[in-house]
Amino acid sequence: QKEVEQDPGPLSVPEGAIVSLNCTYSNSAFQYFMWYRQYSRKGPELLMYTYSSGNKEDGRFTAQVDKSSKYISLFIRDSQPSDSATYLCAIPSGTYKYIFGTGTRLKVLA
Amino acid sequence: EAQVTQNPRYLITVTGKKLTVTCSQNMNHEYMSWYRQDPGLGLRQIYYSMNVEVTDKGDVPEGYKVSRKEKRNFPLILESPSPNQTSLYFCASSHAKSVAFFGQGTRLTVV
Repeated sequence: QKEVEQDPGPLSVPEGAIVSLNCTYSNSAFQYFMWYRQYSRKGPELLMYTYSSGNKEDGRFTAQVDKSSKYISLFIRDSQPSDSATYLCAIPSGTYKYIFGTGTRLKVLA
Repeated sequence: EAQVTQNPRYLITVTGKKLTVTCSQNMNHEYMSWYRQDPGLGLRQIYYSMNVEVTDKGDVPEGYKVSRKEKRNFPLILESPSPNQTSLYFCASSHAKSVAFFGQGTRLTVV
């Protein structure tokens, strides 16, 4: 079993839709969880990070962690064409090591 | 502006011809790493460095070398590139247990 699993998509939604992106992880010791956004031909950039369980909101983006299910989610409200990108979940698994999901490719149609 | 700079952005080379991809960061981060990104496999760590003169293997180190002689620079060296090293490469830097900042990527093609 991979340490972090993510549906690769692609996911196509109409503009204005609510998008749900998800990852599952296997190690219950993980405590920090991150979401990166990667535009085509660019490097990943941090979108949000959370510690432990619960929700964190930032504008149209909400990151959610369910440690009991080992499930993390990123919700995008009122999605825009500019949100079209690949979204990667990332989990620090040690002081200096990150484990990345394979990424979900999202396309928001105008 | 805080950034991680990689060069070159695009490179086409032939099998066996040694090459170096440079990476430099201006955030005084102690930690730097190299990843390769392939379709369906995501980001896989090649090598990482905790500080000057301290490096260690990641998940896919075969065929790569690194050095960390200065805190800001972390070059990736391919002594004898092969076609299976055709990939998109990213350098990243961070403080410990903190957000990783990524470079813009280097698309390498080995023919």
